[in-house]
Amino acid sequence: DAKTTQPPSMDCAEGRAANLPCNHSTISGNEYVYWYRQIHSQGPQYIIHGLKNNETNEMASLIITEDRKSSTLILPHATLRDTAVYYCIVRAVNNAGNMLTFGGGTRLMVKP
Amino acid sequence: EPEVTQTPSHQVTQMGQEVILRCVPISNHLYFYWYRQILGQKVEFLVSFYNNEISEKSEIFDDQFSVERPDGSNFTLKIRSTKLEDSAMYFCASTTYNNEQFFGPGTRLTVL
Repeated sequence: DAKTTQPPSMDCAEGRAANLPCNHSTISGNEYVYWYRQIHSQGPQYIIHGLKNNETNEMASLIITEDRKSSTLILPHATLRDTAVYYCIVRAVNNAGNMLTFGGGTRLMVKP
Repeated sequence: EPEVTQTPSHQVTQMGQEVILRCVPISNHLYFYWYRQILGQKVEFLVSFYNNEISEKSEIFDDQFSVERPDGSNFTLKIRSTKLEDSAMYFCASTTYNNEQFFGPGTRLTVL
């Protein structure tokens, strides 16, 4: 799986959009971009994934650049409960048995 | 909403003792995983399980570890002779073919 690079930490004001960047310059054509988050001491939680088109669900939006070398997770109206470590993970989707490889992630602190 | 459950939430054991961590994956899921997270460190993959056999395992998953799906609902991780360095949060996860892994709340293992 391709390596990802994320800033170690970010702050965001409550109610504002949180934009979390991720670089994955070595991504290959069959690899998807996944985002998970981990709220303190809880199990990781799936947020969203995409291949090349932008994706949106009830939690977030995922913007992937045209060359697919980077992406941004957007939480449109961050709340205090969104304070967590956010992980960007790149992996092939064809084999559900593949494990997730977690990096250090971005620690997002949402402040009142 | 269906969820992965894990028991116990906290297990304290003496070094050298055997422990069994239990997980109940989501009922229609087919792929099962164990991950661990040592305090302050990254989430690390241990093992994946499909069709009643191990499909992948990491270097961490040595002969002291084993997994089993003894019936149609439980998925267990056994550590035969615990070491101090096995102290960690252990997360179970499961998925169908769509690759979104659902994680349980974790078991905190403390080895004294």
